[in-house]
Amino acid sequence: DAGVIQSPRHEVTEMGQEVTLRCKPISGHDYLFWYRQTMMRGLELLIYFNNNVPIDDSGMPEDRFSAKMPNASFSTLKIQPSEPRDSAVYFCASSPLAGVGNEQFFGPGTRLTVL
Amino acid sequence: EDQVTQSPEALRLQEGESSSLNCSYTVSGLRGLFWYRQDPGKGPEFLFTLYSAGEEKEKERLKATLTKKESFLHITAPKPEDSATYLCAVQGEETGANNLFFGTGTRLTVIP
Repeated sequence: DAGVIQSPRHEVTEMGQEVTLRCKPISGHDYLFWYRQTMMRGLELLIYFNNNVPIDDSGMPEDRFSAKMPNASFSTLKIQPSEPRDSAVYFCASSPLAGVGNEQFFGPGTRLTVL
Repeated sequence: EDQVTQSPEALRLQEGESSSLNCSYTVSGLRGLFWYRQDPGKGPEFLFTLYSAGEEKEKERLKATLTKKESFLHITAPKPEDSATYLCAVQGEETGANNLFFGTGTRLTVIP
C-alpha cells in the first residue's frame, strides 16, 4: 500500500485566496483525520471523519475552514479566504479502527505558506 | 483541559550516549499515551501506546515507560539514524475516542 497520500506537498498563496488541500487515505481505513502543525502550538486535530461522516469538527479554527469527504478514498480541506496566520503544515491521517491504542497513519503533509 | 509538556525541547547526544526524554501530562481519565517519531519533512510515525501506570514497551533501542503523571522514552546507545523529533500524545476520557492531544516534541540529534 502506498500509505496516506496528500497533495500538493507545498502550496504558496496570497492572502485572500482559496486553498484546497487533498488527501487519499489508506484503503480500508474507516477513520480520517486532519491536523495542523506549527512551531508554537505543535500538532492540533482539526476534524475527523468516520465512514465519510464528520464526527468532531471542534478543532476547526473558524468558518474560513471547511472539510469534506465525498467518498471513502478522498477528502479535502479548504481555506477560504486564506490568511498569513494559516501558514503551517497540514497533515492527513487515517486509522482502521476506533478507540484507544489504534495507530493513526500519517501522510507526508502539505506545507502551506500564505503571503 | 488536557495538557502535554515535553522536555527537553532539543537534545544532542553522542552516538552511544544513552538518555531519556520526558512527557508530563494532565488529562481527565487517561485512556492511552502515545509516542510518535517524526523525521524532517515527513508525517509522524507510530512507536508505542501505553495504557496504565507501570506499563513498559520496547522497540530496538527505545523503551517507553508510564507513571500516573509522566512518561519517559529511554534511548539506549543511540545511533545517528535515531535523530528525529519525538512526539508524545494523550487520549483522555473527555477528548473523545479518537482524539489525540499532542505535545510540541523533543528534537533529538545523535552525533556520530
